[in-house]
Amino acid sequence: GESVGLHLPTLSVQEGDNSIINCAYSNSASDYFIWYKQESGKGPQFIIDIRSNMDKRQGQRVTVLLNKTVKHLSLQIAATQPGDSAVYFCAERQQGAQKLVFGQGTRLTINP
Amino acid sequence: DTEVTQTPKHLVMGMTNKKSLKCEQHMGHRAMYWYKQKAKKPPELMFVYSYEKLSINESVPSRFSPECPNSSLLNLHLHALQPEDSALYLCASSQGPGQPSYEQYFGPGTRLTVT
Repeated sequence: GESVGLHLPTLSVQEGDNSIINCAYSNSASDYFIWYKQESGKGPQFIIDIRSNMDKRQGQRVTVLLNKTVKHLSLQIAATQPGDSAVYFCAERQQGAQKLVFGQGTRLTINP
Repeated sequence: DTEVTQTPKHLVMGMTNKKSLKCEQHMGHRAMYWYKQKAKKPPELMFVYSYEKLSINESVPSRFSPECPNSSLLNLHLHALQPEDSALYLCASSQGPGQPSYEQYFGPGTRLTVT
């Protein structure tokens, strides 16, 4: 089976609240992690990435946290907006490998 | 230009047809990928081309035949498909092996329906 998974398949948040999407991975040899956002009918869109030599990386309204001890990755979205509604996938790359392994995805819905 | 383009956007084909999906990027990337995505599932890797050579085939049935005519183009030739092959086919590209970035840029996909 896939080595990357998510704790929750769906997440509903109030507009304006912060969202936290979690991802567990099992391969300690993975050295690169990436979050994608996929809106209905579109291809995955890059959000943010992080290498295994980092614990945290921030972008515009998004933060990725990496906990290598427990093999856990999270995506935090600040002040969630209706446009953030989508399916979010985490993916990992094993060191030296060319391919990404995707998690099952979390659907984020925003309540007005 | 950070765009990956795919044509056609939608394709309906019968099980005896032959069709091709096309993908193009002009970012100078040397790795290109085909993924298959079923509804409510993550993308599944099918093929990887590195420097125009097939480097990964994820045990894909021979009715799918990839081709990389040059570093900017990637095709997927389809023949004698089954209804269960209906899916969103995504193309992606990245800088390539040995390069500093591992990020894959995805196209919008081709929605394929096999009747």
